[in-house]
Amino acid sequence: QVQLQESGPGLVKPSQTLSLTCTVSGGSISSGNYYWTWIRQPAGKGLEWIGRIHSSGSTSYNPSLKSRVTISGDTSKNQFSLKLSSVTATDTAVYYCARDWGRAVATWGQGTLVTVSS
Amino acid sequence: QSVLTQPPSVSAAPGQKVTISCSGSSSNIGNNYVSWYQQLPGTAPKLLIYDNSKRPSGIPDRFSGSKSGTSATLDITGLQTGDEADYYCGIWDSSLSAGVFGGGTKLTVL
Repeated sequence: QVQLQESGPGLVKPSQTLSLTCTVSGGSISSGNYYWTWIRQPAGKGLEWIGRIHSSGSTSYNPSLKSRVTISGDTSKNQFSLKLSSVTATDTAVYYCARDWGRAVATWGQGTLVTVSS
Repeated sequence: QSVLTQPPSVSAAPGQKVTISCSGSSSNIGNNYVSWYQQLPGTAPKLLIYDNSKRPSGIPDRFSGSKSGTSATLDITGLQTGDEADYYCGIWDSSLSAGVFGGGTKLTVL
């Protein structure tokens, strides 16, 4: 059974780059027809899809965030990562990593709160 | 403003049925598979429905989904207090080439 765990700084200063890592256990990020996905949720608000990386390495991003987002995978560590540059307070949210089989996000991490503040 | 439109809130009494709608367009619901998620307070979302109407293992048949044209619905029958949660529809949008979620619907079981 696949499990995902987010990790990274809980506090990031404005204008800096937010970096998070998702460690996957129980399955390989480089096998199967899966998409390894990042989703975020500001406090009291809805879900926002950030982007995903396929097991083949191809990526897709939310057009509204595309200029600031990079998602990459490290098959040697079975991890995938999110980098969001030039952050502002509006990027404060709980960030989830998840596994998407192309038609649904079936497995979610527990989420990690990232606050953007000086 | 979400690409998918959901009512902000719905409510019903225990034992009753509630329907949550999700309205989209031809670039998303009209041509792709809808999924539904339940988010209990303070927890990560959980997949309830995939491929418009299929339930993952362990999801009670009180939860059902359907799709018609550019709209989808989630029905919950035999409401329980434990069903109080936020519900989201989600889908791939072919025009945006991105995933999208509805704004979410808060279910209150009176």
